[in-house]
Amino acid sequence: RKEVEQDPGPFNVPEGATVAFNCTYSNSASQSFFWYRQDCRKEPKLLMSVYSSGNEDGRFTAQLNRASQYISLLIRDSKLSDSATYLCVVNGRSSNTGKLIFGQGTTLQVKP
Amino acid sequence: DADVTQTPRNRITKTGKRIMLECSQTKGHDRMYWYRQDPGLGLRLIYYSFDVKDINKGEISDGYSVSRQAQAKFSLSLESAIPNQTALYFCATSDPDRGDYNEQFFGPGTRLTVL
Repeated sequence: RKEVEQDPGPFNVPEGATVAFNCTYSNSASQSFFWYRQDCRKEPKLLMSVYSSGNEDGRFTAQLNRASQYISLLIRDSKLSDSATYLCVVNGRSSNTGKLIFGQGTTLQVKP
Repeated sequence: DADVTQTPRNRITKTGKRIMLECSQTKGHDRMYWYRQDPGLGLRLIYYSFDVKDINKGEISDGYSVSRQAQAKFSLSLESAIPNQTALYFCATSDPDRGDYNEQFFGPGTRLTVL
């Protein structure tokens, strides 16, 4: 079983749609959780951290469910510019190492 | 100017050749990482370094070696390249003194093809 699993998609949605991505992780000791965004042929960039209480940044909302070891990302009012691959990321077994475990990514294509 | 740079950006080589990928950063971060990305597999950690004297293997270090020449430079070598090392390679940095120390900053990537 992969340490971090995501539905690879692709998710094809019209502009203005709401779309949700899910991610599960296997290490119950994980302490830090993130969503990174990766545009085609570009480097990953941090989109947002995910906190236990949930957090929102504009149209983006991230949720964490520790009991189910589940992370989600909700994008409201999708824009064409949201088209990218979204990587679910969890810190490694020792939270102090800075080692991150990446999911394989979920591809989003927003169409006009 | 980019904070994390990688050279070369693209490289095609033949099986058995020695290849070095270089990474430089101006962020002043102590921690540096090398990843490879393959379709459907996500990013996988090859090596990481917490300072010039500290080098650690990641999950897929076989066939690779690294050198941390200075705080700002971290090189990845393929001693004898093989076709299954064809991938997109990323260098990254992080700063443990930041509150969100797990944020990593990536270079633009090196696309390596081994024929």
